[in-house]
This record gives sequence, structure tokens and C-alpha cells, in this order.
Amino acid sequence: DGGITQSPKYLFRKEGQNVTLSCEQNLNHDAMYWYRQDPGQGLRLIYYSQIVNDFQKGDIAEGYSVSREKKESFPLTVTSAQKNPTAFYLCASRARDRVNQPQHFGDGTRLSIL
Amino acid sequence: QKEVEQNSGPLSVPEGAIASLNCTYSDRGSQSFFWYRQYSGKSPELIMSIYSNGDKEDGRFTAQLNKASQYVSLLIRDSQPSDSATYLCAVHANAGGTSYGKLTFGQGTILTVHP
Repeated sequence: DGGITQSPKYLFRKEGQNVTLSCEQNLNHDAMYWYRQDPGQGLRLIYYSQIVNDFQKGDIAEGYSVSREKKESFPLTVTSAQKNPTAFYLCASRARDRVNQPQHFGDGTRLSIL
Repeated sequence: QKEVEQNSGPLSVPEGAIASLNCTYSDRGSQSFFWYRQYSGKSPELIMSIYSNGDKEDGRFTAQLNKASQYVSLLIRDSQPSDSATYLCAVHANAGGTSYGKLTFGQGTILTVHP
């Protein structure tokens, strides 16, 4: 089945620790996105990538880093510089070959502080 | 002013009624509009997309777009308890003609359909 796989489903971070959230897609989509969702709020864009080896900061990139070495994979690292990392993290992807394509989401990773 | 704003809710309707969810946006150049449904603890799933002025129907769902008024809405007919969820309006931003598929989301409207 084609889709977007995020892992792990739940993640706990200790003080001062970097953690990496995985996002893999087999939809052959060029564009991938990372969002953060806090309780009762909409989605805020952290980073996005349109092609391999290229990515752009979103609205709240501070304290996060990404890489895009393969088309299928767009991992997100939450660094120790992110002081309030507790949130629901969502990865999305989108086809670029046609205009007006929607984004489709993975199941998300819930990150908490230990 | 928020870029994408939804009616604050929460919205509660009886089973079988029409639920009306509204969204306004500030970027006049926006071209694509999406409604996502998000159940508690789950990720958003796409339920409707609309690109042209007017109505678009899909089963019990109707999306309405008015670009002159910068307004998009979602109507759910014959509401069911299973429709109870948060509904997110998303707008495809147009930043100088190169939008990179970036979506701007509203804060969501919580809908509860009671039996």
C-alpha cells in the first residue's frame, strides 16, 4: 500500500537531548513537509522540501533541523535548542507534477518531555 | 489578522441536521482550498478540495468558494455522530507566484453531532 510512515508513534525526550523523527513515503512525491500541532491549535509549518538535497525553513524552524538525502525520506531532528518540544508532529507529502495537489499526512509522532 | 481564520466553535448540531463550517483567508492570490477532518488523536485526512468559485459536492459534503469575498465553507448534510471531529481549513498560499505547495491552516473548528 502506498502511504506515509512516521515512526515512532510516541517519543520521549530527556533534557538536553536531540531526537530524530522518521518520515518515509512510497508515493513517489517530490515535496515533503513537517508540521507541529499543539493542543487545540492548527498546524504550523516547520520545514519543507521540494526536491532531494533542498529544503526551506517554515514558520517555526528554530530548534529543528532536517535533511533530504533521498526522495522517500525526510527526517526531522528536534534539537536541545527547542525548549518546548512537546507536541504532535505531522509529516506530509505532495505530488508536484500537477497543479493544486493536496498534501497527505502520515499518522504522526507524539513527542513528550521526560 | 490571521491568514486563515475559521469560525471559532465548538459547533454542536443534532443528528440529521446541516453543519456549516466557515473559513476566511487574507491572501487574495490563493488558488487552492482544502478541508481536512481530524479525529481526536489522529492525523488530518483530506475530505474536500475546491479551486473554482461556486459549489462542489461529494456525497454529504459540499464545499463553497467565493474568491471575491475570500471565503470558503463546508456544509455537512444529514450530520452523523461519526462526523464529530475537528475540521481544518487549509489554503494554498501564493508567495510571489512561487508557493511551493505551502499550505496555511486555520486553527480548526470542533464539530460535535449529538444523537
